[in-house]
Amino acid sequence: GEDVEQSLFLSVREGDSSVINCTYTDSSSTYLYWYKQEPGAGLQLLTYIFSNMDMKQDQRLTVLLNKKDKHLSLRIADTQTGDSAIYFCAETVDDYKLSFGAGTTVTVRA
Amino acid sequence: KAGVTQTPRYLIKTRGQQVTLSCSPISGHRSVSWYQQTPGQGLQFLFEYFSETQRNKGNFPGRFSGRQFSNSRSEMNVSTLELGDSALYLCASSRLAGGPGDTQYFGPGTRLTVL
Repeated sequence: GEDVEQSLFLSVREGDSSVINCTYTDSSSTYLYWYKQEPGAGLQLLTYIFSNMDMKQDQRLTVLLNKKDKHLSLRIADTQTGDSAIYFCAETVDDYKLSFGAGTTVTVRA
Repeated sequence: KAGVTQTPRYLIKTRGQQVTLSCSPISGHRSVSWYQQTPGQGLQFLFEYFSETQRNKGNFPGRFSGRQFSNSRSEMNVSTLELGDSALYLCASSRLAGGPGDTQYFGPGTRLTVL
C-alpha cells in the first residue's frame, strides 16, 4: 500500500518543541525522509534516516524511528516562526519513487 | 552548486491545449522524477527518467508524457488539458540510478492552472 499517514495540523508556541508523527507502510523501506514545503515553494529536504537506525539528530531536528510499529517522528527543538510550513514524511517505494503523506501544517504562534 | 530549476514557474492554459514543462537537474545528477501535487490527491509520482530512458511511470493517463535529454534535462508534456490537471508539478533530481539511498532534491515547481 501507499498510504503514509500523518496528522494534518499542529499548532505550537514559539520556543517550544514540535513533534510531527508519521506512520509508513512498507516494512522494507530502507530510507525515510522528511521534507518541508513553504507557501509557493517546492520541497526542501530536511533530513532522512536509514532503517537500521533508531534516531538521528541534526542541529534542531531529531528523527526517531520505530521500525516495529512503522512509526517515524520529527522533533523540532526551539520552534521558530520560520518553521511554519507543511512537513511531509516520505518512504521509498519499489526503490525508485517516493510515497508521501498528506503533510502536516505546522503553525507557530507567538 | 545550483539546485533543481524548473521553467516556467507559472502557466495558465485553457482546456484542450497542451503544455510543456522543463526541468534542469542539479549538475551531475542523472535521474529526474516528476510529481504532481494537488490539494485533493497530494503528491503523486508521475514518471522517472535515467539516461534518456523512462524507467518508471505512475498511474496517470497517456496524456502525460516526458523525455530526458543527453544533458539530463527533462521535459514533461500534458496534452488535451483538463481542469483536473491544475496542479503544482514538481521535478526532483538524484545523483545515481535511483534506489532507496539516492536522495531526491526538488525544484520550486511549475504552477499550472487550466481554465
